[in-house]
Amino acid sequence: DAGVIQSPRHEVTEMGQEVTLRCKPISGHDYLFWYRQTMMRGLELLIYFNNNVPIDDSGMPEDRFSAKMPNASFSTLKIQPSEPRDSAVYFCASSGGQVYTEAFFGQGTRLTVV
Amino acid sequence: GQQVMQIPQYQHVQEGEDFTTYCNSSTTLSNIQWYKQRPGGHPVFLIQLVKSGEVKKQKRLTFQFGEAKKNSSLHITATQTTDVGTYFCAGRGGSYIPTFGRGTSLIVHP
Repeated sequence: DAGVIQSPRHEVTEMGQEVTLRCKPISGHDYLFWYRQTMMRGLELLIYFNNNVPIDDSGMPEDRFSAKMPNASFSTLKIQPSEPRDSAVYFCASSGGQVYTEAFFGQGTRLTVV
Repeated sequence: GQQVMQIPQYQHVQEGEDFTTYCNSSTTLSNIQWYKQRPGGHPVFLIQLVKSGEVKKQKRLTFQFGEAKKNSSLHITATQTTDVGTYFCAGRGGSYIPTFGRGTSLIVHP
């Protein structure tokens, strides 16, 4: 298995633009997580899905952030409009099974909003 | 909500010295996990501890889970430059999803 795949790896955008981050979880995993990592706040859980259904989005910072999981093999995190303070590394992770064992992280998307 | 505190935030060591990072939870945990993130990389799972007082070893790394299941530690013996990175604990309480600590960044000077 190729692991969790995220795209793009790097994104530079201007303030006000829409940004879409993509994630393909490991096949067979039924949990998908979106994290944001910054120096100031560390690793924050934004939202997670179970069987494609959003379970907890309390970590989503504002209405400008939205996430979808239309099927078991694809998820998106969208920021609209983007702001400089959204600059961070965004990780997608997946895990499988009824008993949480470990999360497999993707390589991350480094977002820079200028 | 559940909080997981990790100290220290940074640790500089000379190659060959030992290193320890500590993780403390505000609530009793059902299990705790440890991850390592290399500079520019992504978190990678190292181990999970479940039992009170559990101790597990991976080569030079020793992981401990406290008797009260509210704290944990990771100890590296005789650090090497390949140990450089940020070590995170992630504690799971009543929720299915673990809470990550802020991590300890280990810097090893050759």
